[in-house]
Amino acid sequence: DTGVSQDPRHKITKRGQNVTFRCDPISEHNRLYWYRQTLGQGPEFLTYFQNEAQLEKSRLLSDRFSAERPKGSFSTLEIQRTEQGDSAMYLCASAGTGEETQYFGPGTRLLVL
Amino acid sequence: DQQVKQNSPSLSVQEGRISILNCDYTNSMFDYFLWYKKYPAEGPTFLISISSIKDKNEDGRFTVFLNKSAKHLSLHIVPSQPGDSAVYFCAASAWSGGGADGLTFGKGTHLIIQP
Repeated sequence: DTGVSQDPRHKITKRGQNVTFRCDPISEHNRLYWYRQTLGQGPEFLTYFQNEAQLEKSRLLSDRFSAERPKGSFSTLEIQRTEQGDSAMYLCASAGTGEETQYFGPGTRLLVL
Repeated sequence: DQQVKQNSPSLSVQEGRISILNCDYTNSMFDYFLWYKKYPAEGPTFLISISSIKDKNEDGRFTVFLNKSAKHLSLHIVPSQPGDSAVYFCAASAWSGGGADGLTFGKGTHLIIQP
């Protein structure tokens, strides 16, 4: 069990560019969650998957944000036409079947110039 | 509307003493509560949790107390050690369809353990 991994750990991009982040959950965890954390705030829930099904996406911040988990294993979070306000830490977490505890990855820090 | 509140942005405690971190919530649907510890530039690390059917859970130096009638929980760390210096987040979830929904977090409390 290697824990939740995220790639890249850091991303610097220019305003208007698209970015994609990857999350690999703990193996056999069927639930995968995405969060965003800005300075001075707690993580803010964005979306989650149970296997490949996206069960909640109304909390995604705008239609520029989208997430996929096509085979029920790793997931990607894409932000299109990035804005400076998208600069934040993006966190991924996973949980096993019937479990309530979520385990977080190290996060991807995004800076939009 | 903040559903999970940590009203102390920071807390300073002497090494060896007890640290008490507090958390209040407003949503009666929450049925599971967790505490996470976070260092800068890292993801949150799970510490301890408690189900709404319990009022206390202990794990080593960490104890979480839940008062459902007051919608209040607290994390006790005894004895406090220098490595405990970090930001602590309280989080809550509601159960749905075979697993927990997304967590709702407080803003965190920065715990500083002084030698």
